[in-house]
Amino acid sequence: QSVLTQPPSVSGAPGQRVSISCTGSSSNIGAGYDVHWYQQLPGTAPKLLISGNSHRSSGVPDRFSGSKSGTSASLVITGLQAEDEADYFCQSYDISLSARDYVFGTGTKVTVL
Amino acid sequence: QVQLVQSGPDVKKAGSSVKVACTASGGTFSTYVIAWLRQAPGQGLQWMGGIIPVFGTTNYPQRFHGRVTITTDESTSTAYMELSSLRSEDTAMYYCARSMSLSADAFDIWGQGTMVTVSS
Repeated sequence: QSVLTQPPSVSGAPGQRVSISCTGSSSNIGAGYDVHWYQQLPGTAPKLLISGNSHRSSGVPDRFSGSKSGTSASLVITGLQAEDEADYFCQSYDISLSARDYVFGTGTKVTVL
Repeated sequence: QVQLVQSGPDVKKAGSSVKVACTASGGTFSTYVIAWLRQAPGQGLQWMGGIIPVFGTTNYPQRFHGRVTITTDESTSTAYMELSSLRSEDTAMYYCARSMSLSADAFDIWGQGTMVTVSS
């Protein structure tokens, strides 16, 4: 049960800029919890791209950037490359009345045209 | 750099249990959190729980209603996830991953995944 909403797919030509949104609510992103982003290549485990809303993991190219505002967050790829074709997930933490839980986005497939 | 290596794929009957192993090498095991997550075919990720090996402290989400048990063997730097009363909807890729705490942090290192198939 994904609590964070992402667009199912985005696409762009090599060199273009694409943006992926991650929309939550007042019990997760809006409550101040950080958003983290993962890249998942076909048949592989997720790889942490960005943590704490905007901090790139070691070795991640600087064409990847993240931001957060209110109840939403965004991942931007500037200068899209063929190797960026993958699924991308956001993650945060939720503190609803009944439970505390890690929550993930619905996932976005990035296609390089 | 720490690496997490998981046990191989498994096929189980509905109603039985499965136990998946995750062995850490190349770095500190005990003071980080080892979490378990799963991803059903074509679906998103779902957190199953986590453990701090040095304290044995665990944290589980309510949705599994006590079906998940996470343990560790510090002598072999191995974490285990046991899921009981299996049903077809438990068919998924299961991952172990490392994080800094039992809440809110990112998962920075992942195992390669273990496919568990539940047959009726």
